[in-house]
Amino acid sequence: DTAVSQTPKYLVTQMGNDKSIKCEQNLGHDTMYWYKQDSKKFLKIMFSYNNKELIINETVPNRFSPKSPDKAHLNLHINSLELGDSAVYFCASSQGATGSGYTFGSGTRLTVV
Amino acid sequence: AQSVTQPDIHITVSEGASLELRCNYSYGATPYLFWYVQSPGQGLQLLLKYFSGDTLVQGIKGFEAEFKRSQSSFNLRKPSVHWSDAAEYFCAAPREYNDMRFGAGTRLTVKP
Repeated sequence: DTAVSQTPKYLVTQMGNDKSIKCEQNLGHDTMYWYKQDSKKFLKIMFSYNNKELIINETVPNRFSPKSPDKAHLNLHINSLELGDSAVYFCASSQGATGSGYTFGSGTRLTVV
Repeated sequence: AQSVTQPDIHITVSEGASLELRCNYSYGATPYLFWYVQSPGQGLQLLLKYFSGDTLVQGIKGFEAEFKRSQSSFNLRKPSVHWSDAAEYFCAAPREYNDMRFGAGTRLTVKP
């Protein structure tokens, strides 16, 4: 069983569209995250959810919104997609403090055309 | 500001040669420190982590890392590199409770 699974793996869409990326973890972790990796491989945290509460919301446009129906899922909704949103988005989870390390999903490559 | 820095963007080594990837941290107290590996088209996998205690940490896939407070470093090493080790390597440390910050990454190329 995949520990952290993301769908879809690839997503190609036109500017202005709204899309969602789903993430599920079966590790029983209490915290989930979304990271964005740009073309230079730089990883930037976008959101963190702990027990269904948003802990971190970096300087991310409000077109991006995380939705967590339960502590095993953290979905990412993106409205009015822009060319600059093209990147690889990673979901991750951890138990407790970040000292335990993260488990990452395999990523979703988003291409906006 | 608390951060980790990876000075080398790209490193090339021959298969069978030893490897050392550099990571420097800038934190007030002793941080938790991590190394992750990202194979092409994959997510990040945790190689090893340092919390406290022994400064030499063993990880998966034959990797180890040494924490040196005097040099503010946490370098990753492997005595003999395999072609399958070609990947992107990230050093990381948490800035706050739930905020893992990653270095810019070092791309490892392995020559046959």
